[in-house]
Amino acid sequence: DVKVTQSSRYLVKRTGEKVFLECVQDMDHENMFWYRQDPGLGLRLIYFSYDVKMKEKGDIPEGYSVSREKKERFSLILESASTNQTSMYLCASSFSGTGLVYGYTFGSGTRLTVV
Amino acid sequence: AQTVTQSQPEMSVQEAETVTLSCTYDTSESDYYLFWYKQPPSRQMILVIRQEAYKQQNATENRFSVNFQKAAKSFSLKISDSQLGDAAMYFCAYRSSGLGGSRLTFGEGTQLTVNP
Repeated sequence: DVKVTQSSRYLVKRTGEKVFLECVQDMDHENMFWYRQDPGLGLRLIYFSYDVKMKEKGDIPEGYSVSREKKERFSLILESASTNQTSMYLCASSFSGTGLVYGYTFGSGTRLTVV
Repeated sequence: AQTVTQSQPEMSVQEAETVTLSCTYDTSESDYYLFWYKQPPSRQMILVIRQEAYKQQNATENRFSVNFQKAAKSFSLKISDSQLGDAAMYFCAYRSSGLGGSRLTFGEGTQLTVNP
């Protein structure tokens, strides 16, 4: 019954590495999102996509990029990982239009540690 | 830009008692959606309840209900007959209903502890 799948639950990477976080949804949702979650700061939006090959910056896009080549897959890329990117990363998806009322479906998160 | 504020970083409640989590938001829009999400230790975010701003009636889902005060821009969550399984981080979230309104803006979260 898994609907939004994040490829890794835990990840440890070295400073300067290029890191890929993958997210796949099977609900035919138009919208997909990447958030990071930090204690006391809640969830902050990094990037989102409302269609294939479309992307929009969120509130904290610096140091990140994204790719959406297929409707079901949305990848978050850390071009050169730094220790301040150590965080929990949450992927989510949703319908657009009248489906907005239903909120998001979330993945179970990737806890990334950059050493 | 919309903002969401949860002023209670931590709350605790005795099992079977009632607890209320606070949330305020700032917006200039008249039509929008509000949500409460629960994140247990498993990290899976679960939608608890939602409210459409044009509806005056407060939403209710079993033991969970909201007190939606549109003029005050307040959206509190009441949990009745608290259970051990209610222990989690709770997030309040706002979503515009207009064009480009697909993103959710979250509050800082409230960590709820349920004591046996």
